[in-house]
Amino acid sequence: GAGVSQTPSNKVTEKGKYVELRCDPISGHTALYWYRQSLGQGPEFLIYFQGTGAADDSGLPNDRFFAVRPEGSVSTLKIQRTERGDSAVYLCASSQGVVMGGGANVLTFGAGSRLTVL
Amino acid sequence: QQQVKQSPQSLIVQKGGISIINCAYENTAFDYFPWYQQFPGKGPALLIAIRPDVSEKKEGRFTISFNKSAKQFSLHIMDSQPGDSATYFCAASTDKLIFGTGTRLQVFP
Repeated sequence: GAGVSQTPSNKVTEKGKYVELRCDPISGHTALYWYRQSLGQGPEFLIYFQGTGAADDSGLPNDRFFAVRPEGSVSTLKIQRTERGDSAVYLCASSQGVVMGGGANVLTFGAGSRLTVL
Repeated sequence: QQQVKQSPQSLIVQKGGISIINCAYENTAFDYFPWYQQFPGKGPALLIAIRPDVSEKKEGRFTISFNKSAKQFSLHIMDSQPGDSATYFCAASTDKLIFGTGTRLQVFP
């Protein structure tokens, strides 16, 4: 597609429920990133994929959070037993690749999925 | 070690003025320093970026100044316009971007 597409754009759920957020990256982009942005804060890194594998998941806050990218394209961020503190905008970004020291990590972001946990 | 510190938190500038936002980092392994612009309800969008082997980069009204020894870099917006009103994030990366906390810029006519 022309840009990074994220669905749903808004999700309201109750505490304790399970949530899935989907990201459809730019066609041909091999790297995919998930960030979380709380109100008035900068995006906080969660996880990134190079192809199908999670290259770095060090930003996932706990084991309630999990992400997959089974075919190297679409990714799903899964949150179990949601808590009120999980309320935030979840941003997905993609890039052509991950190049250490190459300055080629131009990330294109989607508009985000706003999650509200009541 | 991984933090990127950004200031000011908010900035009010008159149309035609210069907006300056500053960032500092600790991790000397960072090798790419972009600035992102974010409008309400939208994702961040790349504005301009610099690598540490360059001290300055200019694109139109936007300039990044980079001081490697001080581990600081800044964004200058010349002739600021009301359309520049947005939140600006500096970032630094090796393989993943680490963002600053953001600066909300308001440009008044």
